[in-house]
Amino acid sequence: EPEVTQTPSHQVTQMGQEVILRCVPISNHLYFYWYRQILGQKVEFLVSFYNNEISEKSEIFDDQFSVERPDGSNFTLKIRSTKLEDSAMYFCASSGVRDGYTFGSGTRLTVV
Amino acid sequence: AQTVTQSQPEMSVQEAETVTLSCTYDTSESDYYLFWYKQPPSRQMILVIRQEAYKQQNATENRFSVNFQKAAKSFSLKISDSQLGDAAMYFCASKPNAGGTSYGKLTFGQGTILTVHP
Repeated sequence: EPEVTQTPSHQVTQMGQEVILRCVPISNHLYFYWYRQILGQKVEFLVSFYNNEISEKSEIFDDQFSVERPDGSNFTLKIRSTKLEDSAMYFCASSGVRDGYTFGSGTRLTVV
Repeated sequence: AQTVTQSQPEMSVQEAETVTLSCTYDTSESDYYLFWYKQPPSRQMILVIRQEAYKQQNATENRFSVNFQKAAKSFSLKISDSQLGDAAMYFCASKPNAGGTSYGKLTFGQGTILTVHP
């Protein structure tokens, strides 16, 4: 069964550093998403991406965040200058015209 | 805008018994989807069941079924014959039907931790 692949599974970074989280969506999917889950809390929408541009973003997705689909397969989330409160599980997801959402296994980001 | 509320932070059930997890939602959309996701300790998000709001019939997937009360904006999940592997965090979620089942932002509830006792 096709999967959404996220790397790394766990990343530790120092406050103020830039971090890039990587995702390989399912190959024939057209819509891509990032969600965030702070430990013990609910899953929150960050951004959706379609046709090489952001289609919707939440209030959380401020200027520190950016997304990119640099080639035909990868979908990345960049946090420019990490803060302690960015520590969370970050989920990538993709969906197709006829397929529902598929989530990746997540990247646990720890900012120290 | 959509909101999803799960009022039960924790629930427990004996193995082989039945448990119901509650969810209420609010939406300004005329058509939408509702979902239950399971998040085991591995923290992967796994789709359990999906309901299309315009369908009257409650969705069923093996041991999992929903009680969808559209007027009351209620969407509960019933797990029958509970198994140890059902232990997880369960999230209720909604999505507008603007793009069908595939496209659109999911709004999640706070989650319910389900413990299954042997």
